[in-house]
Amino acid sequence: KAGVTQTPRYLIKTRGQQVTLSCSPISGHRSVSWYQQTPGQGLQFLFEYFSETQRNKGNFPGRFSGRQFSNSRSEMNVSTLELGDSALYLCASSLQSGSTGELFFGEGSRLTVL
Amino acid sequence: DQQVKQNSPSLSVQEGRISILNCDYTNSMFDYFLWYKKYPAEGPTFLISISSIKDKNEDGRFTVFLNKSAKHLSLHIVPSQPGDSAVYFCAASFSGGYNKLIFGAGTRLAVHP
Repeated sequence: KAGVTQTPRYLIKTRGQQVTLSCSPISGHRSVSWYQQTPGQGLQFLFEYFSETQRNKGNFPGRFSGRQFSNSRSEMNVSTLELGDSALYLCASSLQSGSTGELFFGEGSRLTVL
Repeated sequence: DQQVKQNSPSLSVQEGRISILNCDYTNSMFDYFLWYKKYPAEGPTFLISISSIKDKNEDGRFTVFLNKSAKHLSLHIVPSQPGDSAVYFCAASFSGGYNKLIFGAGTRLAVHP
């Protein structure tokens, strides 16, 4: 069974640009969550989508947005990039959307903003 | 406001000994706690979890203890193996929070032969 696939794995952007990251969940998983990991900060929740609906949103500015398609694939977009947006962006999928928290993570997309 | 804290950024243990990773939380409304392990260049992988109605959960070499009065949980690894060397994240969730997990900053465990 294929795991969670994130593309691209690495990318470099400059301030002010925008970026779109893609996530393909494990087959059959309907929930996709996004997290941002920065050094010393752990993982911070961005948002979760389930059946194309945003279920929950973290404390990030409106420059961060996402969506989910009917095949459960998800994309997140960051507009007007800032230096502080440099991070590892992790996508996680699960069968359901609940509090037990067993998520399956992809390897992440590492974004560097210059 | 960091609701989940891992105060030790690193831990070094000898192979065969016990590793104890600690985690503190501030919100008494959390009802599920989890540990994830992360190797370099890989995504985190789920290790073990515990419901807030329990005080211990065991899975092979891994045991998680929950002390709700102290708002503290710990992960015990016995015996520690070099392959356990990784970053360990403690996380918590709310009922009704869907898949929103609140993570600590992580503890880097190094197990030496």
